[in-house]
Amino acid sequence: DTGVSQNPRHKITKRGQNVTFRCDPISEHNRLYWYRQTLGQGPEFLTYFQNEAQLEKSRLLSDRFSAERPKGSFSTLEIQRTEQGDSAMYLCASSMGRVNEKLFFGSGTQLSVL
Amino acid sequence: QQPVQSPQAVILREGEDAVINCSSSKALYSVHWYRQKHGEAPVFLMILLKGGEQKGHDKISASFNEKKQQSSLYLTASQLSYSGTYFCGTELGRGSTLGRLYFGRGTQLTVWP
Repeated sequence: DTGVSQNPRHKITKRGQNVTFRCDPISEHNRLYWYRQTLGQGPEFLTYFQNEAQLEKSRLLSDRFSAERPKGSFSTLEIQRTEQGDSAMYLCASSMGRVNEKLFFGSGTQLSVL
Repeated sequence: QQPVQSPQAVILREGEDAVINCSSSKALYSVHWYRQKHGEAPVFLMILLKGGEQKGHDKISASFNEKKQQSSLYLTASQLSYSGTYFCGTELGRGSTLGRLYFGRGTQLTVWP
């Protein structure tokens, strides 16, 4: 068990550019979550997958955001035409998908949009 | 649907006790507690289910009052390692939201020697 891995750890981009983040969950976990966290706030839900199926997207997630989880393994989160308001820590978490189960979080990708 | 945590910040001396509260306006299926240190991932502490149970982990325990939709985290004889930001995550347990957590804004705990 190597834990949840996220890459890159840090990303600095210019406004208007596209960025993509990757998350590798714990191998046997079939549920994968994306959260966003800004300074002084708790993690804010963005979307989640059960295997390769995207079950829910937050209303906070604009059309510029898209997430995929091909083959139910790793996941990517893409932000198109980044804005300064997108600057945040993007956290990925995974679980077995059973009721009352804890989430295992990755260390996150810190995005700074200049 | 975001739970409300209080207080926002706590400063303690080593060995002192603290209580962190989490309340929701929605009926809860479970409450999760996580601790996050600066620059690190949130780490799971415990889950509390409906039924008002109380759980303990070393000198950290928690209770869940489902009638009031409230949970409290108790830190006894705090240690330096307890410093960090504590988040409660609530699970509404309805249909597709089962397993999806809503997190509070966090309580920043600082323990001084």
